[in-house]
Amino acid sequence: AQRVTQPEKLLSVFKGAPVELKCNYSYSGSPELFWYVQYSRQRLQLLLRHISRESIKGFTADLNKGETSFHLKKPFAQEEDSAMYYCALPQGGSEKLVFGKGTKLTVNP
Amino acid sequence: DGGITQSPKYLFRKEGQNVTLSCEQNLNHDAMYWYRQDPGQGLRLIYYSQIVNDFQKGDIAEGYSVSREKKESFPLTVTSAQKNPTAFYLCASSIGRGNSPLHFGNGTRLTVT
Repeated sequence: AQRVTQPEKLLSVFKGAPVELKCNYSYSGSPELFWYVQYSRQRLQLLLRHISRESIKGFTADLNKGETSFHLKKPFAQEEDSAMYYCALPQGGSEKLVFGKGTKLTVNP
Repeated sequence: DGGITQSPKYLFRKEGQNVTLSCEQNLNHDAMYWYRQDPGQGLRLIYYSQIVNDFQKGDIAEGYSVSREKKESFPLTVTSAQKNPTAFYLCASSIGRGNSPLHFGNGTRLTVT
């Protein structure tokens, strides 16, 4: 079964420092992976998806099939990046998403 | 801020009572989902529906029921059989094909005492 692992429950960095939120997955095939973000008092929303290969709010994520990873990176963290981040993977070729347990990112001033 | 609306925001019930959470979307999406969000557990899928009048169990369907009589609406009933009903419930919708992204509601926090 597909599984998504986010090993860090909490991550704290200082403003301007690089940040990397880890995501590892188990899936046989070519996965479509997503990062969702939940800012304080806001709804969960899509941050970026693997297939788009885009950078959103300075974040990028590269799919590494050899390491089965889809880590989210940003070179210079901002305080407004503080949020809960979830990595997700479609389950069984359907549109159902399997979510990781999430990483709470805190960017300190 | 249209899209997908969950109501109410907070809900309190006594143990042993069934309670229904509302989810409405005006995005013309075919697929709708219910997730449960618990601290440290991430999001877990309760039920989903890919088309009107059809729905399937997710990973933690026991103690829950749903209906999909209209495209716009996907209410979730938390029954007295659900052992740990106190949680934050999230409804989502998507186009329903091509791994389209999910659009989430603001959630309903249910407290059962």
